[in-house]
Amino acid sequence: DSGVTQTPKHLITATGQRVTLRCSPRSGDLSVYWYQQSLDQGLQFLIQYYNGEERAKGNILERFSAQQFPDLHSELNLSSLELGDSALYFCASSERDGLYEQYFGPGTRLTVL
Amino acid sequence: AQTVTQSQPEMSVQEAETVTLSCTYDTSESDYYLFWYKQPPSRQMILVIRQEAYKQQNATENRFSVNFQKAAKSFSLKISDSQLGDAAMYFCAYRSRYHNSNSGYALNFGKGTSLLVTP
Repeated sequence: DSGVTQTPKHLITATGQRVTLRCSPRSGDLSVYWYQQSLDQGLQFLIQYYNGEERAKGNILERFSAQQFPDLHSELNLSSLELGDSALYFCASSERDGLYEQYFGPGTRLTVL
Repeated sequence: AQTVTQSQPEMSVQEAETVTLSCTYDTSESDYYLFWYKQPPSRQMILVIRQEAYKQQNATENRFSVNFQKAAKSFSLKISDSQLGDAAMYFCAYRSRYHNSNSGYALNFGKGTSLLVTP
């Protein structure tokens, strides 16, 4: 158990819908990262937050957005969902801004029908 | 952008034997970190080992060790005394040491190597 929690574990929804994925980092970790794992794209970095501020953006679609709250938990919002958004979404956290290992949560499996 | 290549989609090893998983990367930076992560069937991403590019000594964690060849940009993972529980997908990952505006401290992953351990 890495100490990073993600909810829900599984999510099934329809095209065009909007969902929110939630992540709680390890106690004391200030940095949160979101990754997408799909069969065709592999593991891809989406976005990073550090202590509430956006620090880096990767291959994140405009339909996707994220935020980190004062209690350091983070949410990833996916809207206008398409079939191709079906994937495993991981949250990871690290103690500070990047100079430490990233520890991954168990992931949220999103299925878009 | 830095790219990470794992040229072995699948590998197989017998229990108690040793196996080496390959990884190469492309970067123009001189200082960075490299990682190996393990993803068992549960899908959890588990950190196996870390190597700092400025360290000449190869990292070791129990049965796991790396062969880091900086000039060749090669970072292989050796698993000794393989166990059934080692069966998983193994991902090599690269991370810049310094923040940059394009990717911050994001991990760049290879496509992974699926390791099968036979009794």
